[in-house]
Amino acid sequence: TQLLEQSPQFLSIQEGENLTVYCNSSSVFSSLQWYRQEPGEGPVLLVTVVTGGEVKKLKRLTFQFGDARKDSSLHITAAQPGDTGLYLCAGERNTGRRALTFGSGTRLQVQP
Amino acid sequence: GAGVSQTPSNKVTEKGKYVELRCDPISGHTALYWYRQSLGQGPEFLIYFQGTGAADDSGLPNDRFFAVRPEGSVSTLKIQRTERGDSAVYLCASSLRGTYTDEQFFGPGTRLTVL
Repeated sequence: TQLLEQSPQFLSIQEGENLTVYCNSSSVFSSLQWYRQEPGEGPVLLVTVVTGGEVKKLKRLTFQFGDARKDSSLHITAAQPGDTGLYLCAGERNTGRRALTFGSGTRLQVQP
Repeated sequence: GAGVSQTPSNKVTEKGKYVELRCDPISGHTALYWYRQSLGQGPEFLIYFQGTGAADDSGLPNDRFFAVRPEGSVSTLKIQRTERGDSAVYLCASSLRGTYTDEQFFGPGTRLTVL
């Protein structure tokens, strides 16, 4: 059983469309991070959210942390082919462990 | 500056063989992490080092897996008696202090294939 469930698993859209990726859990996380991973590369951090209800914007990307700190979303406005990749959410639980718990990922394909 | 490097980038071995995977973290980073990523999945935590010591090895699947970081820099993940189910991409990450929300920087991974 995956502690962090991501949806959708796959998404293929046209350039210029908007999309939202969801990351849900029944557990509380002290922080949640979003990464993007390209083929043959390691994940690269996009953002960290730590406060329930927090919203962060990074150019065309908007990240939200749920009030109860159990879920998060990533919204991309006017997607571009360069946004193509695997998007991973990862949480850090308030158990003293530094290890990240990753979701299974959302594979995004943006067609030109 | 140099990021996290991992060698080899690809490793093909036969069932039952022993393999070593190497990670060179970013210089000055005290924390080092190993993760395993199976096809179509997110990374799964294996072990975390703070300096030379393993601060958390709860993710190691069984006693065939072992990791060391003798001088607090380079780390080696060792897998004995490899099985086909060990095939995956093994990712290494490092962070400056290993504190809460300290950013982990990932290497490109080693793709291990056990035939």
